[in-house]
Amino acid sequence: TQLLEQSPQFLSIQEGENLTVYCNSSSVFSSLQWYRQEPGEGPVLLVTVVTGGEVKKLKRLTFQFGDARKDSSLHITAAQPGDTGLYLCAGVRFGGDDKIIFGKGTRLHILP
Amino acid sequence: EAQVTQNPRYLITVTGKKLTVTCSQNMNHEYMSWYRQDPGLGLRQIYYSMNVEVTDKGDVPEGYKVSRKEKRNFPLILESPSPNQTSLYFCASSFGVPADEQYFGPGTRLTVT
Repeated sequence: TQLLEQSPQFLSIQEGENLTVYCNSSSVFSSLQWYRQEPGEGPVLLVTVVTGGEVKKLKRLTFQFGDARKDSSLHITAAQPGDTGLYLCAGVRFGGDDKIIFGKGTRLHILP
Repeated sequence: EAQVTQNPRYLITVTGKKLTVTCSQNMNHEYMSWYRQDPGLGLRQIYYSMNVEVTDKGDVPEGYKVSRKEKRNFPLILESPSPNQTSLYFCASSFGVPADEQYFGPGTRLTVT
């Protein structure tokens, strides 16, 4: 059972377009993180959200944690080729053990 | 420079030949973890360690061993590698709990023939 479902799995769009990536679960998480991974490298943390309904912005990237802390979204405005990469959400289940769970990722390709 | 290092970066080996992938961090982090990344399956946690001499199984621990004798090092041991352990492996560390930012190493691509 995949506890964190990411959608879409793949996304290829033109430079300048907007996009949203989703991370959904039936479980409640004490926090959710978004990482970006480029080919040949390890994931790098973009943001951590901890409060239900929380919205965080990182330049053109907007992250939201669902009110019930079961889901999160990543919205990119005016996508650029430099945004290309694998986006991973990860979470620690509320009241669970110390394991962190990763989604399978969304592979994003921005065409110039 | 704060970093997580892994060695080797690439390894091709044969079934049954014991191997160790080293992981070291210089940030005095307490939490360290090993993951494997496979196409279509994403990142899956193999083992993690909350502190020295404290290790626990992740989601896919079968066929792997770890040890945490020092805070900075967390080696991954494959006693008898099999082809289904061919994968991309990442070591990661964080200050305290896994909800803290995890710093990942550059990865080790292992092929078992």
